[in-house]
Amino acid sequence: EIVLTQSPATLSLSPGERATLSCRASQSVSIYLAWYQQKPGQAPRLLIYDASTRATGVPARFSGSGSGTDFTLTISSLEPEDFAVYYCQQRINWRMITFGPGTRVDIK
Amino acid sequence: EVQLVESGGGLVQPGRSLRLSCATSGFTFGDYLMSWFRQAPGKGLEWVGFIRSKTSGGTSEYATSVKGRFTISRDDSKSIAYLQMNSLKIEDAGVYYCARDLFVSTAYFFENWGQGTLVTVSS
Repeated sequence: EIVLTQSPATLSLSPGERATLSCRASQSVSIYLAWYQQKPGQAPRLLIYDASTRATGVPARFSGSGSGTDFTLTISSLEPEDFAVYYCQQRINWRMITFGPGTRVDIK
Repeated sequence: EVQLVESGGGLVQPGRSLRLSCATSGFTFGDYLMSWFRQAPGKGLEWVGFIRSKTSGGTSEYATSVKGRFTISRDDSKSIAYLQMNSLKIEDAGVYYCARDLFVSTAYFFENWGQGTLVTVSS
């Protein structure tokens, strides 16, 4: 099973600041990684897939990068609605999907 | 508009069974892989399993934690996906979400999700 590790566990930032979230895979997942945002009481929202492609309707301030084992989600300038938990998900193995433990982005 | 609505959650005793449904609309259900996920209270997301479209073989895959106990099925005529959960354990409790694959061609990423249904396992 491919294990995803996310860091930091919590990121405390102010609106307008840049957020950089990391996801590391225990073995290569090529570019087959996605990022989701989840707010309390809501279902996850797909932000990025194939490491760097924004999903429909996702603002340009969200960007993804990386390949192999190291990936980054960057939020260029935090808006109040961006404070949430972010999960990465891999699908290199089409028989098993795994998520990282999440990074919480809090208001500082 | 794509919509997914889960139902069937509730309180169940350990060892018993429960069937969840995911009613969908706004897209050609039979063309897409459908997946189930869960989230224990205060915890992260966990993939439960998925079922491919019939054109992709209609096969299912499951997480190790539920293999042999849970079964996913689909009724393309009704646009509904099901999750049959048997031999439920305390650790199966949580919010269960269904989700649709991003692409007909199968991406194994999920853009459309239901609102979730809560399963509580307790004696």
